[in-house]
Amino acid sequence: DSGVTQTPKHLITATGQRVTLRCSPRSGDLSVYWYQQSLDQGLQFLIQYYNGEERAKGNILERFSAQQFPDLHSELNLSSLELGDSALYFCASSVATGGNTQYFGPGTRLTVL
Amino acid sequence: GIQVEQSPPDLILQEGANSTLRCNFSDSVNNLQWFHQNPWGQLINLFYIPSGTKQNGRLSATTVATERYSLLYISSSQTTDSGVYFCAVPSTDSWGKLQFGAGTQVVVTP
Repeated sequence: DSGVTQTPKHLITATGQRVTLRCSPRSGDLSVYWYQQSLDQGLQFLIQYYNGEERAKGNILERFSAQQFPDLHSELNLSSLELGDSALYFCASSVATGGNTQYFGPGTRLTVL
Repeated sequence: GIQVEQSPPDLILQEGANSTLRCNFSDSVNNLQWFHQNPWGQLINLFYIPSGTKQNGRLSATTVATERYSLLYISSSQTTDSGVYFCAVPSTDSWGKLQFGAGTQVVVTP
């Protein structure tokens, strides 16, 4: 158990819908990262927050947004869902902003029908 | 951006065998992580190894930063070692962004 929690574990929804994925980092970690794992793209970095501020951005679609709250939990919002958004979404956390070990949560498996 | 290449892409082992997985990266890095993704999809941290050698039970890893590669050794493999092994390094434009290799799929047969 990495100490990073993610909910829900599985999510099945339809095209055009909006979903929210939630992540709680390890106790004491200030950075939260979101990654997407799909069959064709592998593991891709989406976005990083550090202590409530956006710190780095990857190839995150405009339909996707995230935020980190004062209690340090983070949410990833995916809207206008398409079939291609079906993937495993991981949250990771680390103590500081970079160069530290990232610990990954169990992931949320999103299926868009 | 930094390129990460892993080899071999697939590996089939008999239980008890030893193996070496390789990770090459195209630029200088200040850290490197190895992960195991089990058949249930969980990504498990194995090593944080910017340089040198570390051991954890039957697994060990060596990173030679000056030559831009890292090796993961699995000794006396067990069926529970099956899964995909990833290495990841920080992107050159952001230390927080991990760039993952494509992974090595390992199958250990009884």
